[in-house]
Amino acid sequence: AQSVSQHNHHVILSEAASLELGCNYSYGGTVNLFWYVQYPGQHLQLLLKYFSGDPLVKGIKGFEAEFIKSKFSFNLRKPSVQWSDTAEYFCAVTKNAGNMLTFGGGTRLMVKP
Amino acid sequence: EAQVTQNPRYLITVTGKKLTVTCSQNMNHEYMSWYRQDPGLGLRQIYYSMNVEVTDKGDVPEGYKVSRKEKRNFPLILESPSPNQTSLYFCASSQAGWSAYNEQFFGPGTRLTVL
Repeated sequence: AQSVSQHNHHVILSEAASLELGCNYSYGGTVNLFWYVQYPGQHLQLLLKYFSGDPLVKGIKGFEAEFIKSKFSFNLRKPSVQWSDTAEYFCAVTKNAGNMLTFGGGTRLMVKP
Repeated sequence: EAQVTQNPRYLITVTGKKLTVTCSQNMNHEYMSWYRQDPGLGLRQIYYSMNVEVTDKGDVPEGYKVSRKEKRNFPLILESPSPNQTSLYFCASSQAGWSAYNEQFFGPGTRLTVL
């Protein structure tokens, strides 16, 4: 069974610091990859997704992620975080054209003003 | 407004008392799904439905039932709730599966406590 690992459970940064959140998955075949964000008290929203093509994907709010197939990774990055980026971030993976989505355990990001 | 709605948003119940959490979407989506969210475990898929009358088990289906009699509704049924089903539940929908043109839309969540 495929699994998704997010090794950073809690991250605390100051405003303007750079962010990188790790995501690794275990499935060896073709995958579709997602990052979702959950702001406090809200439901999940899609940040970005990768299906094929350019492995560097740009999403909303200045986020980007890079798919490195050889490392089974899909790390999320942002050059300069803001206080409003405080949220929980989830990486998710599905097999190509698959019907099930597997989420990582989430990373709680706190940005200090 | 395009949305996924869930009811109730909060529920406290006792062990063994049957309950239903409703989920409805107004986007004419074919695919609907239920997840539970627990600290440190992320979201785990309970059941999903590719279309009316088509449902399949996710990763953690034990203790849950679902039905899909209408395209817009996908209720989650707990026949005999137990304390280990205390969790935050999310319903989600998308046009069809996980193809490149489809985004998963999530409901606001239902916080369930089973005493």
